[in-house]
Amino acid sequence: QKEVEQNSGPLSVPEGAIASLNCTYSDRVSQSFFWYRQYSGKSPELIMSIYSNGDKEDGRFTAQLNKASQYVSLLIRDSQPSDSATYLCAGGYNKLIFGAGTRLAVHP
Amino acid sequence: EADIYQTPRYLVIGTGKKITLECSQTMGHDKMYWYQQDPGMELHLIHYSYGVNSTEKGDLSSESTVSRIRTEHFPLTLESARPSHTSQYLCASTPISGTGDEQFFGPGTRLTVL
Repeated sequence: QKEVEQNSGPLSVPEGAIASLNCTYSDRVSQSFFWYRQYSGKSPELIMSIYSNGDKEDGRFTAQLNKASQYVSLLIRDSQPSDSATYLCAGGYNKLIFGAGTRLAVHP
Repeated sequence: EADIYQTPRYLVIGTGKKITLECSQTMGHDKMYWYQQDPGMELHLIHYSYGVNSTEKGDLSSESTVSRIRTEHFPLTLESARPSHTSQYLCASTPISGTGDEQFFGPGTRLTVL
């Protein structure tokens, strides 16, 4: 089992809908979790970080962390075609462990 | 947000050549990392450093080497490039003071070995 697992997708949602991206992890001592967005041919861009159980909101993005279930998610409200990208979940301490990424496609 | 620079952005080179990929950051970050990523594939950590004169190999075996003589500079060297080294190489760094271990990435170097 990989230490950080994501569904590879593609996840296809219509414009204006909520996109839900999920990630599970196997390391019980992970302290920090991050979501990155990566457009094709570009480098990853940090969009959200979460350190404690619960929800964290930033604009259209909400990150959710449940350490007991070893589960972290990213919700994107009012999805736009410009949100179409691969979303990487990462967790760890000192060294980050990245998931393989979920491809999101937002269609008009 | 970090300013991380990588040069060259694109490099096409013949087999057997020695190459150095440059990575520098101006924010005084202690921690720096090199990743390798093939198109559409996951990131693989190949080297990291927690400060000057500190270098460690990552999770993916790599024939490259790194050095960290100055805080702001973390170059990656391939002594003899091969077609199997064709990939995108991404450099990242972590701020000294921050709320966690978030990594900020440079723009990457796309390497093609013929």
